[in-house]
Amino acid sequence: KAGVTQTPRYLIKTRGQQVTLSCSPISGHRSVSWYQQTPGQGLQFLFEYFSETQRNKGNFPGRFSGRQFSNSRSEMNVSTLELGDSALYLCASSLGGQGRTPLHFGNGTRLTVT
Amino acid sequence: AQKVTQAQTEISVVEKEDVTLDCVYETRDTTYYLFWYKQPPSGELVFLIRRNSFDEQNEISGRYSWNFQKSTSSFNFTITASQVVDSAVYFCALSPSYGGSQGNLIFGKGTKLSVKP
Repeated sequence: KAGVTQTPRYLIKTRGQQVTLSCSPISGHRSVSWYQQTPGQGLQFLFEYFSETQRNKGNFPGRFSGRQFSNSRSEMNVSTLELGDSALYLCASSLGGQGRTPLHFGNGTRLTVT
Repeated sequence: AQKVTQAQTEISVVEKEDVTLDCVYETRDTTYYLFWYKQPPSGELVFLIRRNSFDEQNEISGRYSWNFQKSTSSFNFTITASQVVDSAVYFCALSPSYGGSQGNLIFGKGTKLSVKP
């Protein structure tokens, strides 16, 4: 079974631009979550989608948004990029049913904002 | 407030030594889940274990063992006879119980383990 796939692996953008990151979950997983990882703040939850609906959202500004498609694939968008948005963005999928099934993470997209 | 503290930022051991990674959590929920993840240099977080707050049994899986103690709000992780391949950053995480959301894990800052040959 293929794991969680994130594209692209690396991105370099300029301040003020916008960026879209993509995540393909494990087949059969309906929940997709996004995390930002930085050396200073560690791993921080961005949002979670389940069946195309945002189920939970972390404490990030509105510049960060996401969506989920009917095939459970998800995209994350960051508009008006700031230097502080440089980070490793991790996507995770899970079955999404009752209980707390483990999250399965992708390799991440490393975003550098210059 | 929900919080996970991993006081050890970095640990360095020599191969075959035993090492324990500490994790202390804070929550007011009576039902919650705890996790350990491993992050090798490739970046992918690898799931190691999940523990329900009602299940205080310790668990052993090969060279790995976990000690969950609700009385001290701790969920410590021990690697026996460490190997170079165990070198990674290890994260402890807490899952709040509210609602149906599963994706919101509260992570500790991680402990970087270096195992030298």
